[in-house]
Amino acid sequence: GQQLNQSPQSMFIQEGEDVSMNCTSSSIFNTWLWYKQDPGEGPVLLIALYKAGELTSNGRLTAQFGITRKDSFLNISASIPSDVGIYFCAGFDSGYSTLTFGKGTMLLVSP
Amino acid sequence: NAGVTQTPKFQVLKTGQSMTLQCAQDMNHNSMYWYRQDPGMGLRLIYYSASEGTTDKGEVPNGYNVSRLNKREFSLRLESAAPSQTSVYFCASRPTGPTGKLFFGSGTQLSVL
Repeated sequence: GQQLNQSPQSMFIQEGEDVSMNCTSSSIFNTWLWYKQDPGEGPVLLIALYKAGELTSNGRLTAQFGITRKDSFLNISASIPSDVGIYFCAGFDSGYSTLTFGKGTMLLVSP
Repeated sequence: NAGVTQTPKFQVLKTGQSMTLQCAQDMNHNSMYWYRQDPGMGLRLIYYSASEGTTDKGEVPNGYNVSRLNKREFSLRLESAAPSQTSVYFCASRPTGPTGKLFFGSGTQLSVL
């Protein structure tokens, strides 16, 4: 089956620092998505990317859809304590109507 | 705006017991999904329903059954619970179209003793 390799597994940073995480796949996806999960809650969509090379921002978050369609990255600028959570990348296979998720990056932010 | 509602929030079972996890969405979405989340494993797809009347296996379907009762409701059943099924279960729905945008419920934390 399809697999997504997400890195790093975890990050512990100081408030104000920038953060970068990425995801690579053995398969091509038509859509890449990034989700955030707060403790005790379900994941919530942050950014969706639909075209190879696309760069999209949502506030302090910026994500890119890799040219090869097999990778994506997410940057968070000037981190704040409420950025704490688990960030998941996901690739969407429209043929099967399913998403494949990476294993997540746990982000901890120290005030 | 309820979105995706899952019940129960928490459940403890003994090995061999059965139970059904309920999920309902009020967004008129065609597709619905069940995932399980385990530490270090991310979200793994158990079953999904691309549209009312259809269901398909995902990555980890063994030990589970599903029912798409109608467009709103998609339930997950454990016929004979095992300790390996201790996990957090998430239901999600997706609108029609190639967007990949899932809307998740808040999860059910299940412990099987």
